[in-house]
Amino acid sequence: QSALTQPPSVSGSPGQSVTVSCTGTSSDVGGYKYVSWYQQHPGKAPKLMIYDVDKRPSGVPDRISGSKSGNTASLTISGLQAEDEAEYYCCSHAGTSTYVFGTGTEVTVL
Amino acid sequence: QLQLQESGPGLVKPSETLSLTCTISGDSISSSAYYWGWIRQSPGKGLEWIGSIYYSGSTYYNPSLKSRVTVSVDTSKNQFSLKLSSVTAADTAVYYCARHSGAGRPNFDYWGQGTLVTVSS
Repeated sequence: QSALTQPPSVSGSPGQSVTVSCTGTSSDVGGYKYVSWYQQHPGKAPKLMIYDVDKRPSGVPDRISGSKSGNTASLTISGLQAEDEAEYYCCSHAGTSTYVFGTGTEVTVL
Repeated sequence: QLQLQESGPGLVKPSETLSLTCTISGDSISSSAYYWGWIRQSPGKGLEWIGSIYYSGSTYYNPSLKSRVTVSVDTSKNQFSLKLSSVTAADTAVYYCARHSGAGRPNFDYWGQGTLVTVSS
Protein backbone atom coordinates (compact mmCIF):
# COMPACT_ATOMS: atom_id res chain seq x y z
CA GLN A 1 0.00 0.00 0.00
CA SER A 2 1.99 3.00 -1.29
CA ALA A 3 1.07 6.63 -0.74
CA LEU A 4 -0.86 8.27 -3.55
CA THR A 5 1.26 10.65 -5.64
CA GLN A 6 0.59 14.38 -5.47
CA PRO A 7 2.69 17.28 -6.81
CA PRO A 8 4.71 18.87 -3.99
CA SER A 9 3.37 22.33 -4.73
CA VAL A 10 1.06 24.35 -6.94
CA SER A 11 0.51 28.09 -6.98
CA GLY A 12 -1.78 30.69 -8.42
CA SER A 13 -2.74 34.33 -8.15
CA PRO A 14 -5.87 35.48 -6.36
CA GLY A 15 -8.94 34.83 -8.49
CA GLN A 16 -7.25 32.16 -10.59
CA SER A 17 -7.93 28.42 -10.54
CA VAL A 18 -5.53 25.72 -9.48
CA THR A 19 -5.82 21.95 -9.77
CA VAL A 20 -4.15 19.39 -7.53
CA SER A 21 -3.76 15.88 -8.89
CA CYS A 22 -3.71 12.62 -6.94
CA THR A 23 -2.46 9.56 -8.79
CA GLY A 24 -2.89 6.02 -7.58
CA THR A 25 -3.59 2.65 -9.12
CA SER A 26 -6.54 0.49 -10.07
CA SER A 27 -6.33 -0.96 -6.54
CA ASP A 28 -7.20 2.35 -4.93
CA VAL A 29 -8.19 5.57 -6.76
CA GLY A 30 -9.12 3.80 -10.00
CA GLY A 31 -11.06 1.03 -8.34
CA TYR A 32 -13.51 2.90 -6.11
CA LYS A 33 -15.72 5.97 -5.96
CA TYR A 34 -14.34 6.78 -2.52
CA VAL A 35 -11.77 9.58 -2.75
CA SER A 36 -11.67 12.44 -0.29
CA TRP A 37 -9.66 15.65 0.00
CA TYR A 38 -8.43 17.48 3.09
CA GLN A 39 -7.14 20.99 3.72
CA GLN A 40 -4.60 21.44 6.50
CA HIS A 41 -3.29 24.73 7.83
CA PRO A 42 -0.05 24.69 9.85
CA GLY A 43 -0.53 23.33 13.34
CA LYS A 44 -4.17 22.44 12.72
CA ALA A 45 -6.10 19.24 12.17
CA PRO A 46 -7.09 18.42 8.58
CA LYS A 47 -10.50 19.57 7.34
CA LEU A 48 -12.66 17.51 4.98
CA MET A 49 -13.22 19.44 1.73
CA ILE A 50 -14.47 16.75 -0.70
CA TYR A 51 -15.73 13.19 -0.21
CA ASP A 52 -16.95 10.42 -2.52
CA VAL A 53 -14.86 12.00 -5.33
CA ASP A 54 -17.02 15.08 -5.91
CA LYS A 55 -19.32 15.76 -2.95
CA ARG A 56 -18.89 18.82 -0.72
CA PRO A 57 -19.67 18.75 3.01
CA SER A 58 -21.91 21.47 4.32
CA GLY A 59 -20.01 24.74 4.65
CA VAL A 60 -17.42 24.10 1.95
CA PRO A 61 -17.79 26.72 -0.82
CA ASP A 62 -18.83 25.59 -4.30
CA ARG A 63 -15.61 26.99 -5.78
CA ILE A 64 -14.02 23.82 -4.40
CA SER A 65 -14.66 20.80 -6.62
CA GLY A 66 -13.44 17.25 -7.12
CA SER A 67 -13.32 14.81 -10.00
CA LYS A 68 -11.73 11.54 -11.06
CA SER A 69 -10.55 10.00 -14.30
CA GLY A 70 -9.05 6.54 -14.29
CA ASN A 71 -6.40 6.27 -11.59
CA THR A 72 -6.14 10.04 -11.03
CA ALA A 73 -8.35 12.20 -8.84
CA SER A 74 -8.26 15.98 -8.94
CA LEU A 75 -9.15 18.86 -6.65
CA THR A 76 -9.86 22.22 -8.26
CA ILE A 77 -9.97 25.50 -6.38
CA SER A 78 -11.58 28.28 -8.40
CA GLY A 79 -11.45 31.95 -7.53
CA LEU A 80 -8.32 31.39 -5.42
CA GLN A 81 -8.31 33.30 -2.13
CA ALA A 82 -5.60 33.95 0.45
CA GLU A 83 -7.36 31.63 2.91
CA ASP A 84 -6.90 28.73 0.46
CA GLU A 85 -3.15 28.72 1.10
CA ALA A 86 -2.60 25.42 2.89
CA GLU A 87 -1.48 21.82 2.46
CA TYR A 88 -3.94 19.53 0.67
CA TYR A 89 -4.14 15.75 0.94
CA CYS A 90 -6.15 13.20 -0.98
CA CYS A 91 -7.26 9.89 0.49
CA SER A 92 -8.67 6.80 -1.17
CA HIS A 93 -10.21 3.50 -0.25
CA ALA A 94 -7.56 0.86 -0.96
CA GLY A 95 -9.57 -2.32 -0.62
CA THR A 96 -10.84 -4.36 2.36
CA SER A 97 -11.78 -1.20 4.24
CA THR A 98 -8.25 0.20 4.28
CA TYR A 99 -7.26 3.71 3.30
CA VAL A 100 -4.24 5.42 1.79
CA PHE A 101 -3.40 9.12 1.84
CA GLY A 102 -1.58 11.16 -0.76
CA THR A 103 1.85 12.71 -0.31
CA GLY A 104 0.42 16.18 0.11
CA THR A 105 0.48 19.37 -1.98
CA GLU A 106 1.29 22.84 -0.78
CA VAL A 107 -0.99 25.40 -2.40
CA THR A 108 0.50 28.88 -2.49
CA VAL A 109 -1.44 32.05 -3.30
CA LEU A 110 0.96 34.43 -5.03
CA GLN B 1 -21.54 19.72 18.35
CA LEU B 2 -19.38 16.61 18.07
CA GLN B 3 -15.95 16.86 19.64
CA LEU B 4 -13.09 14.37 19.80
CA GLN B 5 -10.19 14.64 22.23
CA GLU B 6 -7.02 12.55 22.23
CA SER B 7 -5.23 11.82 25.48
CA GLY B 8 -2.20 9.82 26.56
CA PRO B 9 1.52 10.07 27.31
CA GLY B 10 3.49 12.49 25.19
CA LEU B 11 6.72 10.54 25.62
CA VAL B 12 7.22 6.82 25.08
CA LYS B 13 10.46 4.85 25.29
CA PRO B 14 11.69 2.79 22.33
CA SER B 15 10.42 -0.82 22.30
CA GLU B 16 7.52 0.07 24.61
CA THR B 17 3.81 0.36 23.76
CA LEU B 18 2.17 3.64 22.81
CA SER B 19 -1.33 3.98 24.25
CA LEU B 20 -3.81 6.72 23.36
CA THR B 21 -7.50 7.26 24.04
CA CYS B 22 -10.04 9.30 22.08
CA THR B 23 -12.99 10.62 24.09
CA ILE B 24 -16.11 11.53 22.15
CA SER B 25 -18.57 14.19 23.26
CA GLY B 26 -21.72 15.36 21.53
CA ASP B 27 -22.54 11.99 19.98
CA SER B 28 -22.61 8.33 20.91
CA ILE B 29 -19.83 6.05 19.76
CA SER B 30 -22.56 3.45 19.38
CA SER B 31 -24.14 5.38 16.53
CA SER B 32 -24.63 2.81 13.80
CA ALA B 33 -23.78 5.29 11.06
CA TYR B 34 -20.14 5.87 11.90
CA TYR B 35 -16.70 4.36 12.25
CA TRP B 36 -13.89 5.78 14.35
CA GLY B 37 -10.29 5.96 13.21
CA TRP B 38 -6.71 6.85 14.08
CA ILE B 39 -4.45 8.81 11.73
CA ARG B 40 -0.92 10.02 12.36
CA GLN B 41 1.42 12.62 10.91
CA SER B 42 5.16 12.47 11.43
CA PRO B 43 6.87 15.85 11.86
CA GLY B 44 6.96 17.64 8.51
CA LYS B 45 5.44 14.62 6.76
CA GLY B 46 2.13 13.49 5.36
CA LEU B 47 -0.87 11.73 6.84
CA GLU B 48 -1.00 8.00 7.48
CA TRP B 49 -4.14 6.04 8.32
CA ILE B 50 -3.51 3.63 11.20
CA GLY B 51 -6.78 1.84 11.76
CA SER B 52 -10.54 2.13 12.31
CA ILE B 53 -13.17 0.52 14.50
CA TYR B 54 -16.95 0.14 14.54
CA TYR B 55 -18.81 0.24 17.84
CA SER B 56 -19.45 -3.49 17.56
CA GLY B 57 -15.70 -4.05 17.72
CA SER B 58 -14.99 -4.74 14.04
CA THR B 59 -11.53 -3.43 13.23
CA TYR B 60 -9.57 -2.55 10.09
CA TYR B 61 -5.84 -1.86 10.12
CA ASN B 62 -3.17 -0.43 7.84
CA PRO B 63 -1.39 -3.53 6.49
CA SER B 64 2.01 -1.95 7.15
CA LEU B 65 1.21 -1.50 10.86
CA LYS B 66 -1.19 -4.38 11.43
CA SER B 67 1.25 -6.56 13.37
CA ARG B 68 1.77 -3.83 15.99
CA VAL B 69 -1.64 -2.12 16.20
CA THR B 70 -4.69 -2.75 18.33
CA VAL B 71 -7.74 -0.46 18.27
CA SER B 72 -10.47 -1.09 20.82
CA VAL B 73 -13.73 0.54 21.89
CA ASP B 74 -15.33 1.19 25.29
CA THR B 75 -18.95 2.11 24.67
CA SER B 76 -19.63 2.69 28.38
CA LYS B 77 -17.08 5.51 28.42
CA ASN B 78 -17.79 6.71 24.86
CA GLN B 79 -14.13 6.18 24.02
CA PHE B 80 -11.93 4.26 21.64
CA SER B 81 -8.25 3.53 22.05
CA LEU B 82 -5.04 2.86 20.16
CA LYS B 83 -2.16 0.65 21.18
CA LEU B 84 1.00 0.54 19.08
CA SER B 85 3.64 -1.89 20.27
CA SER B 86 7.42 -2.03 19.85
CA VAL B 87 7.68 1.65 18.98
CA THR B 88 10.75 3.25 17.45
CA ALA B 89 11.70 6.84 16.65
CA ALA B 90 9.84 6.41 13.35
CA ASP B 91 6.59 6.30 15.33
CA THR B 92 7.11 9.86 16.59
CA ALA B 93 4.13 11.76 15.23
CA VAL B 94 1.03 13.78 15.92
CA TYR B 95 -1.75 11.25 16.42
CA TYR B 96 -5.31 12.21 15.46
CA CYS B 97 -8.60 10.47 16.11
CA ALA B 98 -11.42 11.04 13.64
CA ARG B 99 -14.90 9.92 12.61
CA HIS B 100 -15.88 8.51 9.24
CA SER B 101 -19.02 6.95 7.82
CA GLY B 102 -19.07 3.45 6.40
CA ALA B 103 -16.38 0.86 6.05
CA GLY B 104 -14.47 1.76 2.93
CA ARG B 105 -15.43 5.43 2.93
CA PRO B 106 -12.51 7.73 3.87
CA ASN B 107 -14.70 10.74 4.69
CA PHE B 108 -13.09 11.75 7.98
CA ASP B 109 -15.41 14.63 8.86
CA TYR B 110 -14.62 15.30 12.51
CA TRP B 111 -11.08 15.29 13.92
CA GLY B 112 -9.51 15.71 17.32
CA GLN B 113 -6.91 18.44 17.74
CA GLY B 114 -4.11 15.86 17.68
CA THR B 115 -1.56 14.87 20.28
CA LEU B 116 2.19 14.72 19.77
CA VAL B 117 3.84 11.50 20.84
CA THR B 118 7.62 11.42 20.92
CA VAL B 119 9.51 8.13 21.05
CA SER B 120 12.77 8.67 22.87
CA SER B 121 14.77 7.23 25.72
